[in-house]
Amino acid sequence: KQEVTQIPAALSVPEGENLVLNCSFTDSAIYNLQWFRQDPGKGLTSLLLIQSSQREQTSGRLNASLDKSSGRSTLYIAASQPGDSATYLCAVSHTGTASKLTFGTGTRLQVTL
Amino acid sequence: NAGVTQTPKFRVLKTGQSMTLLCAQDMNHEYMYWYRQDPGMGLRLIHYSVGEGTTAKGEVPDGYNVSRLKKQNFLLGLESAAPSQTSVYFCASSDRGNTDTQYFGPGTRLTVL
Repeated sequence: KQEVTQIPAALSVPEGENLVLNCSFTDSAIYNLQWFRQDPGKGLTSLLLIQSSQREQTSGRLNASLDKSSGRSTLYIAASQPGDSATYLCAVSHTGTASKLTFGTGTRLQVTL
Repeated sequence: NAGVTQTPKFRVLKTGQSMTLLCAQDMNHEYMYWYRQDPGMGLRLIHYSVGEGTTAKGEVPDGYNVSRLKKQNFLLGLESAAPSQTSVYFCASSDRGNTDTQYFGPGTRLTVL
């Protein structure tokens, strides 16, 4: 059974810092990996999707990398801002049909002034 | 485009009552999903559908039923609610294409007393 772990569970950084969020998964037979953002009381917003054949994806200040063989992904946030405060979730999709996702429990990020 | 919408946003039930949660998407997506989110557990897949008229069980299907009579709608039913079903429920949809990004609704917060 696939297990997805995110460490740390919570992180507080001052504004302007670069930071890295970690995601690990136990079964490397994945179809893709997605990073989501969730604001309190809201739904999930997709940030980046990395196909299993890719090594990284970038969107603005966000960069996600994937090392499938070691079962790891990182989300790098450059020059953090208070508006980046949210919970960040990673999820892996398995080979096969329906793109069913297995989620980690998330990292709650707070960016302070 | 409204994206993915969910009705209702909040609901309180008594043990044994029944209810239906409605999910609607206007992106012409084939795949639709129901998840529940509980503290410390992450999001877990309840049921999903790979197209109109089809449904399948996810990780935690017991106590729930679903129907996909129209492509744009995915209904989640609780026939006899239990306190263990107190949770936040999210609906999501995705295209059948290679991107497989899942788009989430805003969630329904359900409390069963």
